[in-house]
This record gives sequence, structure tokens and C-alpha cells, in this order.
Amino acid sequence: EVQLVESGGVVVQPGGSLRLSCAASGFTFDDYAMHWVRQAPGKGLEWVSLISWDGGSTYYADSVKGRFTISRDNSKNSLYLQMNSLRAEDTALYYCAKDIEGGNPSWGQGTLVTVSS
Amino acid sequence: SSELTQDPAVSVALGQTVRITCQGDSLRSYYASWYQQKPGQAPVLVIYGKNNRPSGIPDRFSGSSSGNTASLTITGAQAEDEADYYCNSRDSSGNHLGVVFGGGTKLTVL
Repeated sequence: EVQLVESGGVVVQPGGSLRLSCAASGFTFDDYAMHWVRQAPGKGLEWVSLISWDGGSTYYADSVKGRFTISRDNSKNSLYLQMNSLRAEDTALYYCAKDIEGGNPSWGQGTLVTVSS
Repeated sequence: SSELTQDPAVSVALGQTVRITCQGDSLRSYYASWYQQKPGQAPVLVIYGKNNRPSGIPDRFSGSSSGNTASLTITGAQAEDEADYYCNSRDSSGNHLGVVFGGGTKLTVL
């Protein structure tokens, strides 16, 4: 069974930093590109970032470019999102996901990031 | 990056047919996927590719596409279909590569 378990979400002050983690199991992690997707309270889904299977290519939504960094450690079956210069509008449930543009997606249950003073 | 546009809300009488649409330039190059999301739950894929349903998705769900518009059709809507529906597609505008989601459509089954 595929499992994606996010962690690291907390309450953080504006301008602060945070690192999210996602532990993957039940599939060959390094066969897949991985994504972060977020959902602000009561709002829609927003794609955040993508990393290739080997970590060699990364892509970001304009809203987070220059502030967030996606990375992965295939030896640990783990995905990360380093979030810097956080803003109130970054408050959201952050999902780790694979294959969201294809036919065999998997999503975690999300980790909540709240940016507030 | 690209954008996908959906109607914010749609309603359908129980047992009737409803179509939810999604418009955007990326749909001229890529098929849309459709996700169903119920409150407090992660999204669930209901349609992908030309018109493919994952295992376990009822055959009342179908997809189609024409030009820059993708559609999700529910034929004989059931009470349990009441949910938010999101389209997405690959996005390869300019030097950007990623995924884009529509704003979502809230489906009410009357």
C-alpha cells in the first residue's frame, strides 16, 4: 500500500522559515517525480513545486519561486520543502503527492502550516 | 504559467446529468485530470487521460475534451457525488514545467 506521510507543519511568524518532510513507502520512490500541493483554508488546490525522480530538475509556482526549495533523499525515501520568508498567504494544508498529472496518483493527508504573529 | 478556469458552483437534481467544464490554454496540449474532494479528505482521482476511470470509480463519471475545454460529466448524479471537483493538467508554458489546477467547482446534488 502506498503511503505518503507529511510532517513539520506548525504555527510560524511572518518572515520565518520551516521545513516540511514527506516519508514515502509502498512504491519505488526513485521511479517517480514528486510534488507539493497546498490548499488554503476554504480554498482550492494550488500546485506548489515539482522535483524530478533524481532531484536534478525542480520547478515552482510563481507564488513561491525564490522562497521555497524542494529536495529529496532517495536513500531515505523522503521529500522535503524548505520554506523561507513565509507570508500569511502561505497558510495552508500542504500535501505531498506523486503522479498528480497521471493515472496513478497518491496523496498524503497533509500537514498544516499557519503563518501568523 | 497557465491558468485553468472552472465555474465556482453547479447544481444538479438527483439522478440527472451534470457537466462540469474546465478551460485553459494548456488543455490544447495536455489532457485534463479530474479530482473529487469531499470535506476533510484528500482529493480522489475520478478521470484521467482521454477518458479513463481509475479502479473503483463508478462508470457514471466520464470525461471529454475539445480545443481548450475539458469536461467532466456525471450521468445520473447520486447524493454521494456532492463534492468539490478540480481539473488539472500539465503546464509547460515558456520555460516552466509543472502542473496547474482549476479553481474548483462545488457540486450540489438537490
